[in-house]
Amino acid sequence: SQTIHQWPATLVQPVGSPLSLECTVEGTSNPNLYWYRQAAGRGLQLLFYSVGIGQISSEVPQNLSASRPQDRQFILSSKKLLLSDSGFYLCAWNGAGWPGELFFGEGSRLTVL
Amino acid sequence: AQTVTQSQPEMSVQEAETVTLSCTYDTSESDYYLFWYKQPPSRQMILVIRQEAYKQQNATENRFSVNFQKAAKSFSLKISDSQLGDAAMYFCALPKNSNSGYALNFGKGTSLLVTP
Repeated sequence: SQTIHQWPATLVQPVGSPLSLECTVEGTSNPNLYWYRQAAGRGLQLLFYSVGIGQISSEVPQNLSASRPQDRQFILSSKKLLLSDSGFYLCAWNGAGWPGELFFGEGSRLTVL
Repeated sequence: AQTVTQSQPEMSVQEAETVTLSCTYDTSESDYYLFWYKQPPSRQMILVIRQEAYKQQNATENRFSVNFQKAAKSFSLKISDSQLGDAAMYFCALPKNSNSGYALNFGKGTSLLVTP
């Protein structure tokens, strides 16, 4: 069966520090991968998506970047965090070429101080 | 553009009662899926129910059912015999398009409180 993991679960970082959140999927190949952000009390905002290795698309301009170095690995990064980067980050995947449900990781809570 | 609107920021229901959460959407697609997700305090997103737009029959999953009105672009979620464990944020979602790898577009959510 397919599983998705992301880490770390919780992160407290100072302003200006770097960020790396990692997500891996098991049990499937060539998944579509996504990073969403959920600000406090708000809905989910799509940040990045990837339909293949090295293929990254950004939905909104921001202080973050994403990479997909392997088929089932998706990384969210920042060189210098801003206060506004605080939030709950969710990694998700679905099958390639199919508008079906998304399967979500456990989420990573980032607090920038 | 695909949009999803949930007009009820908060709802409350007594245990064992029934509650309906509203969702309206807009899409230019003719065939699509619609989803309801639940986000409990643990923050893990869990699929509650899915509806295929070309199916006229409303989807049902145990105590959860939908009222899908395609012409009105309405997709409400009915929770019967509410339980304390149903307390969570509920999000309605619609796929974007193939250009985004079929990412889901979510509404702002409805916070459901279940009282004993």
